[in-house]
Amino acid sequence: AQKVTQAQTEISVVEKEDVTLDCVYETRDTTYYLFWYKQPPSGELVFLIRRNSFDEQNEISGRYSWNFQKSTSSFNFTITASQVVDSAVYFCALSVRDYKLSFGAGTTVTVRA
Amino acid sequence: GAVVSQHPSWVICKSGTSVKIECRSLDFQATTMFWYRQFPKQSLMLMATSNEGSKATYEQGVEKDKFLINHASLTLSTLTVTSAHPEDSSFYICSATERGEGRDEQFFGPGTRLTVL
Repeated sequence: AQKVTQAQTEISVVEKEDVTLDCVYETRDTTYYLFWYKQPPSGELVFLIRRNSFDEQNEISGRYSWNFQKSTSSFNFTITASQVVDSAVYFCALSVRDYKLSFGAGTTVTVRA
Repeated sequence: GAVVSQHPSWVICKSGTSVKIECRSLDFQATTMFWYRQFPKQSLMLMATSNEGSKATYEQGVEKDKFLINHASLTLSTLTVTSAHPEDSSFYICSATERGEGRDEQFFGPGTRLTVL
Protein backbone atom coordinates (compact mmCIF):
# COMPACT_ATOMS: atom_id res chain seq x y z
CA ALA A 1 0.00 0.00 0.00
CA GLN A 2 1.06 3.52 -0.67
CA LYS A 3 1.15 6.30 1.90
CA VAL A 4 1.87 10.01 1.69
CA THR A 5 2.49 12.15 4.73
CA GLN A 6 2.31 15.91 4.79
CA ALA A 7 3.12 16.75 8.36
CA GLN A 8 2.39 20.45 8.05
CA THR A 9 -1.31 21.17 8.33
CA GLU A 10 -1.12 24.93 7.92
CA ILE A 11 1.58 27.41 7.06
CA SER A 12 1.14 31.15 7.25
CA VAL A 13 3.71 33.53 5.78
CA VAL A 14 4.02 37.14 4.84
CA GLU A 15 4.27 38.00 1.19
CA LYS A 16 7.76 37.60 -0.31
CA GLU A 17 8.78 34.99 2.23
CA ASP A 18 9.83 31.58 1.04
CA VAL A 19 7.77 28.60 2.10
CA THR A 20 8.71 24.92 1.97
CA LEU A 21 6.13 22.16 2.06
CA ASP A 22 7.26 18.75 3.21
CA CYS A 23 6.14 15.47 1.71
CA VAL A 24 7.26 12.00 2.77
CA TYR A 25 6.06 8.92 0.96
CA GLU A 26 6.02 5.16 1.44
CA THR A 27 5.80 2.50 -1.21
CA ARG A 28 7.29 -0.90 -1.92
CA ASP A 29 7.17 -0.39 -5.66
CA THR A 30 10.39 0.59 -7.35
CA THR A 31 8.50 2.38 -10.10
CA TYR A 32 6.28 5.17 -8.88
CA TYR A 33 5.26 8.72 -9.61
CA LEU A 34 5.11 11.71 -7.30
CA PHE A 35 2.89 14.71 -7.81
CA TRP A 36 2.10 18.07 -6.37
CA TYR A 37 -1.30 19.70 -6.85
CA LYS A 38 -2.64 23.08 -5.84
CA GLN A 39 -6.27 23.44 -4.79
CA PRO A 40 -7.44 27.06 -4.59
CA PRO A 41 -10.72 27.95 -2.87
CA SER A 42 -12.60 27.22 -6.10
CA GLY A 43 -11.84 23.55 -5.51
CA GLU A 44 -10.37 22.67 -8.88
CA LEU A 45 -7.10 20.78 -8.67
CA VAL A 46 -4.22 22.42 -10.47
CA PHE A 47 -1.43 20.11 -11.56
CA LEU A 48 2.02 21.42 -10.64
CA ILE A 49 4.50 18.64 -11.26
CA ARG A 50 5.00 14.93 -11.81
CA ARG A 51 8.21 13.10 -11.08
CA ASN A 52 9.00 9.45 -11.71
CA SER A 53 11.06 7.40 -9.34
CA PHE A 54 14.02 7.18 -11.70
CA ASP A 55 14.46 10.90 -12.06
CA GLU A 56 15.94 12.48 -8.94
CA GLN A 57 16.83 15.73 -10.60
CA ASN A 58 15.51 18.75 -8.83
CA GLU A 59 13.12 20.90 -10.76
CA ILE A 60 12.59 24.61 -10.91
CA SER A 61 9.66 26.31 -12.57
CA GLY A 62 9.51 30.02 -12.00
CA ARG A 63 9.05 30.59 -8.28
CA TYR A 64 8.41 26.90 -7.66
CA SER A 65 11.06 24.31 -7.00
CA TRP A 66 11.01 20.70 -5.96
CA ASN A 67 13.56 18.59 -4.15
CA PHE A 68 13.26 14.84 -4.64
CA GLN A 69 15.41 12.64 -2.40
CA LYS A 70 14.89 8.90 -2.61
CA SER A 71 17.26 8.31 0.30
CA THR A 72 14.80 10.00 2.64
CA SER A 73 11.63 9.23 0.60
CA SER A 74 10.87 12.91 0.41
CA PHE A 75 9.57 15.19 -2.31
CA ASN A 76 9.54 18.70 -0.90
CA PHE A 77 8.13 21.77 -2.57
CA THR A 78 9.35 25.34 -2.15
CA ILE A 79 7.63 28.52 -3.18
CA THR A 80 10.11 31.36 -3.43
CA ALA A 81 9.03 34.95 -2.81
CA SER A 82 5.47 33.93 -2.03
CA GLN A 83 2.51 35.94 -3.26
CA VAL A 84 -1.07 36.24 -2.05
CA VAL A 85 -2.20 34.24 -5.10
CA ASP A 86 -0.22 31.30 -3.77
CA SER A 87 -2.72 30.91 -0.94
CA ALA A 88 -4.28 27.49 -1.40
CA VAL A 89 -4.21 23.92 -0.20
CA TYR A 90 -1.31 21.96 -1.62
CA PHE A 91 -1.42 18.20 -1.97
CA CYS A 92 1.40 15.79 -2.50
CA ALA A 93 0.37 12.52 -4.14
CA LEU A 94 1.84 9.19 -5.17
CA SER A 95 0.86 6.62 -7.76
CA VAL A 96 2.31 3.35 -8.88
CA ARG A 97 1.57 1.35 -12.02
CA ASP A 98 -2.19 1.30 -11.49
CA TYR A 99 -2.33 5.09 -11.77
CA LYS A 100 -4.43 5.40 -8.60
CA LEU A 101 -3.42 8.47 -6.66
CA SER A 102 -2.81 8.39 -2.94
CA PHE A 103 -3.00 11.89 -1.59
CA GLY A 104 -1.42 13.38 1.47
CA ALA A 105 -3.60 15.25 3.93
CA GLY A 106 -2.73 18.56 2.34
CA THR A 107 -1.05 21.72 3.61
CA THR A 108 -2.98 24.96 3.72
CA VAL A 109 -0.77 27.87 2.77
CA THR A 110 -1.88 31.38 3.66
CA VAL A 111 0.14 34.25 2.30
CA ARG A 112 -0.60 37.57 3.98
CA ALA A 113 -0.05 40.86 2.23
CA GLY B 1 -3.27 19.78 -21.53
CA ALA B 2 -6.37 17.71 -22.02
CA VAL B 3 -9.70 18.87 -20.63
CA VAL B 4 -12.05 16.97 -18.36
CA SER B 5 -15.48 18.37 -17.59
CA GLN B 6 -17.97 17.51 -14.89
CA HIS B 7 -21.65 18.17 -14.80
CA PRO B 8 -23.25 19.51 -12.77
CA SER B 9 -20.75 21.70 -10.95
CA TRP B 10 -23.00 21.74 -7.93
CA VAL B 11 -26.25 20.09 -6.94
CA ILE B 12 -28.59 20.27 -3.99
CA CYS B 13 -31.02 17.44 -3.48
CA LYS B 14 -33.42 16.07 -0.91
CA SER B 15 -32.56 13.07 1.20
CA GLY B 16 -33.59 9.84 -0.47
CA THR B 17 -33.22 11.01 -4.04
CA SER B 18 -30.59 9.87 -6.53
CA VAL B 19 -28.08 12.16 -8.17
CA LYS B 20 -26.08 11.52 -11.32
CA ILE B 21 -22.73 13.19 -11.96
CA GLU B 22 -21.12 13.09 -15.38
CA CYS B 23 -17.43 13.14 -16.15
CA ARG B 24 -16.35 13.73 -19.73
CA SER B 25 -12.99 13.81 -21.43
CA LEU B 26 -13.43 16.49 -24.06
CA ASP B 27 -10.51 16.04 -26.38
CA PHE B 28 -9.08 12.63 -25.70
CA GLN B 29 -10.14 9.07 -25.13
CA ALA B 30 -9.95 8.01 -21.52
CA THR B 31 -9.44 4.33 -21.04
CA THR B 32 -9.62 4.77 -17.30
CA MET B 33 -11.45 7.24 -15.12
CA PHE B 34 -11.19 7.62 -11.37
CA TRP B 35 -13.71 8.99 -8.90
CA TYR B 36 -12.54 10.75 -5.75
CA ARG B 37 -14.45 12.19 -2.83
CA GLN B 38 -13.32 15.08 -0.68
CA PHE B 39 -15.02 16.06 2.56
CA PRO B 40 -14.58 19.63 3.80
CA LYS B 41 -11.04 20.41 4.87
CA GLN B 42 -9.93 16.88 4.15
CA SER B 43 -7.91 15.16 1.49
CA LEU B 44 -9.11 13.40 -1.62
CA MET B 45 -9.98 9.75 -1.22
CA LEU B 46 -10.23 7.41 -4.15
CA MET B 47 -13.66 5.82 -4.41
CA ALA B 48 -13.43 3.71 -7.52
CA THR B 49 -11.68 3.03 -10.79
CA SER B 50 -13.79 3.00 -13.91
CA ASN B 51 -12.63 1.22 -17.04
CA GLU B 52 -14.50 1.59 -20.30
CA GLY B 53 -16.73 -1.35 -21.00
CA SER B 54 -16.17 -3.15 -17.72
CA LYS B 55 -17.36 -3.00 -14.15
CA ALA B 56 -15.89 -0.43 -11.86
CA THR B 57 -13.47 -1.45 -9.15
CA TYR B 58 -14.34 0.00 -5.77
CA GLU B 59 -11.98 0.85 -2.96
CA GLN B 60 -12.43 -0.80 0.38
CA GLY B 61 -15.28 0.69 2.35
CA VAL B 62 -17.08 2.20 -0.64
CA GLU B 63 -20.56 0.78 -1.18
CA LYS B 64 -20.90 -0.21 -4.81
CA ASP B 65 -24.69 -0.37 -4.59
CA LYS B 66 -24.82 3.18 -3.33
CA PHE B 67 -22.30 4.69 -5.71
CA LEU B 68 -23.11 3.34 -9.16
CA ILE B 69 -20.46 3.92 -11.78
CA ASN B 70 -20.95 3.48 -15.48
CA HIS B 71 -18.22 3.98 -18.08
CA ALA B 72 -20.16 3.44 -21.24
CA SER B 73 -17.80 5.12 -23.66
CA LEU B 74 -14.19 6.26 -23.88
CA THR B 75 -15.23 9.82 -23.11
CA LEU B 76 -17.93 9.47 -20.46
CA SER B 77 -18.18 8.04 -16.98
CA THR B 78 -21.10 8.63 -14.65
CA LEU B 79 -21.37 8.38 -10.89
CA THR B 80 -24.85 7.97 -9.46
CA VAL B 81 -25.34 8.49 -5.76
CA THR B 82 -28.42 6.46 -4.96
CA SER B 83 -30.76 7.29 -2.10
CA ALA B 84 -28.54 10.14 -1.06
CA HIS B 85 -28.31 11.14 2.59
CA PRO B 86 -26.76 14.18 4.27
CA GLU B 87 -23.58 12.23 5.03
CA ASP B 88 -23.06 11.86 1.26
CA SER B 89 -22.65 15.61 0.97
CA SER B 90 -19.18 16.09 -0.39
CA PHE B 91 -17.04 17.31 -3.26
CA TYR B 92 -16.78 14.65 -5.95
CA ILE B 93 -13.91 14.87 -8.40
CA CYS B 94 -13.23 12.69 -11.39
CA SER B 95 -10.02 12.21 -13.28
CA ALA B 96 -9.33 10.66 -16.64
CA THR B 97 -6.24 8.92 -17.85
CA GLU B 98 -5.11 8.98 -21.42
CA ARG B 99 -2.87 6.09 -22.10
CA GLY B 100 -0.79 5.32 -25.09
CA GLU B 101 2.71 5.57 -26.38
CA GLY B 102 4.31 8.35 -24.42
CA ARG B 103 1.00 9.32 -22.84
CA ASP B 104 -0.01 8.38 -19.33
CA GLU B 105 -1.23 11.65 -17.94
CA GLN B 106 -4.09 11.99 -15.51
CA PHE B 107 -6.38 14.99 -15.85
CA PHE B 108 -8.85 16.17 -13.23
CA GLY B 109 -12.32 17.55 -13.67
CA PRO B 110 -13.39 20.71 -11.84
CA GLY B 111 -15.42 18.77 -9.29
CA THR B 112 -19.08 18.56 -8.32
CA ARG B 113 -20.28 19.80 -4.97
CA LEU B 114 -23.17 17.71 -3.67
CA THR B 115 -25.34 18.92 -0.82
CA VAL B 116 -28.01 16.59 0.48
CA LEU B 117 -30.67 18.22 2.63
